[in-house]
Amino acid sequence: AQKITQTQPGMFVQEKEAVTLDCTYDTSDPSYGLFWYKQPSSGEMIFLIYQGSYDQQNATEGRYSLNFQKARKSANLVISASQLGDSAMYFCAMTSMNRDDKIIFGKGTRLHILP
Amino acid sequence: ETGVTQSPTHLIKTRGQQVTLRCSSQSGHNTVSWYQQALGQGPQFIFQYYREEENGRGNFPPRFSGLQFPNYSSELNVNALELDDSALYLCASSLARKDIQNTIYFGEGSWLTVV
Repeated sequence: AQKITQTQPGMFVQEKEAVTLDCTYDTSDPSYGLFWYKQPSSGEMIFLIYQGSYDQQNATEGRYSLNFQKARKSANLVISASQLGDSAMYFCAMTSMNRDDKIIFGKGTRLHILP
Repeated sequence: ETGVTQSPTHLIKTRGQQVTLRCSSQSGHNTVSWYQQALGQGPQFIFQYYREEENGRGNFPPRFSGLQFPNYSSELNVNALELDDSALYLCASSLARKDIQNTIYFGEGSWLTVV
């Protein structure tokens, strides 16, 4: 069975600092994808970044980068130069490329950016 | 703007009643998934429809049912509502079962409160 673990229920970070949100995963599938989503209080799930299990390089999207360590089964999200608008819930998630598009989510980390 | 719209955005129902939630997928997307997100939790997979057929189901009782229409829009029906059904219900659309990466788009969700 697939599982996502996010061990940080909440984090407080000073504006303009970099922040790392932790994520570990477990799966027996050889081929899978890892996602990070941002969820503001409005509820919408906003896609941030994706990493395929066979991708050789870590994914980057603007200020977001995914630190993918396959042997450790970790997929941490790094946000550089944090902004007040980054305050939200962040979910790590995964899906198997061998099955349907079902996404397994972690419990999330609430990020607070302090001015 | 993901192109996935859900309705209604908020609703209140009484225990024992039935509810129908609707989702309009992004144009061209033939797969729709529904998720339930209880307060303080990550989203949980309910079921997925691919070309009008159910294509996988999570650990939810049969009183959770769905439909996908020829235009790929979808409905989630919940019968005999219970207090624990109070949650944010998210719809996600994608192009094909094996097509992941960043082509899974979420709507803004329907907030259901059962009293």
